[in-house]
Amino acid sequence: DTAVSQTPKYLVTQMGNDKSIKCEQNLGHDTMYWYKQDSKKFLKIMFSYNNKELIINETVPNRFSPKSPDKAHLNLHINSLELGDSAVYFCASSQEGYTQYFGPGTRLTVL
Amino acid sequence: SQQGEEDPQALSIQEGENATMNCSYKTSINNLQWYRQNSGRGLVHLILIRSNEREKHSGRLRVTLDTSKKSSSLLITASRAADTASYFCATDQAGTALIFGKGTTLSVSS
Repeated sequence: DTAVSQTPKYLVTQMGNDKSIKCEQNLGHDTMYWYKQDSKKFLKIMFSYNNKELIINETVPNRFSPKSPDKAHLNLHINSLELGDSAVYFCASSQEGYTQYFGPGTRLTVL
Repeated sequence: SQQGEEDPQALSIQEGENATMNCSYKTSINNLQWYRQNSGRGLVHLILIRSNEREKHSGRLRVTLDTSKKSSSLLITASRAADTASYFCATDQAGTALIFGKGTTLSVSS
């Protein structure tokens, strides 16, 4: 029944590793997003996908790559993890111009 | 780039009191939304107000929007301990990604 789900909820890994976070929405929305929330709770857009097309990329390092196998999924791949990547990552979805629904977040800790 | 700026950064009140949070933004918007985030949890949508609206109500929430001043306020009436959370305003400029402010941390004590 969960509208927007993310896995895993917690991710602890070493510097230099490659990891993925999965996101799925069952709302039939056209657009999905990834946001990063830092330790000061500041939320910043990373990517959004509309019908499998990337439409926003906010100066995110190319170590981060979104992958959308279909309209209901937008996964986030991170290569060569760095300490500064530690944050909470939120997936969201919406119909264009309307309310965004957020997932529960994935807390990434890079050691 | 950051768009919204909430004020105050932190607010402590007693149960039953009203809480008012303000948000200012920099550029033209399509709509403005308020979200709540409980500690360690995801964001919950509270209310959306479009650029051609001036006031909107939802239960104990009242949101105003002044596009001439590029500002919005969120009023929570008769606050409860369960309202303790961080509140964020977010603006939607082009119908796509939201730009969030830094949030107001509200603490309601019983």
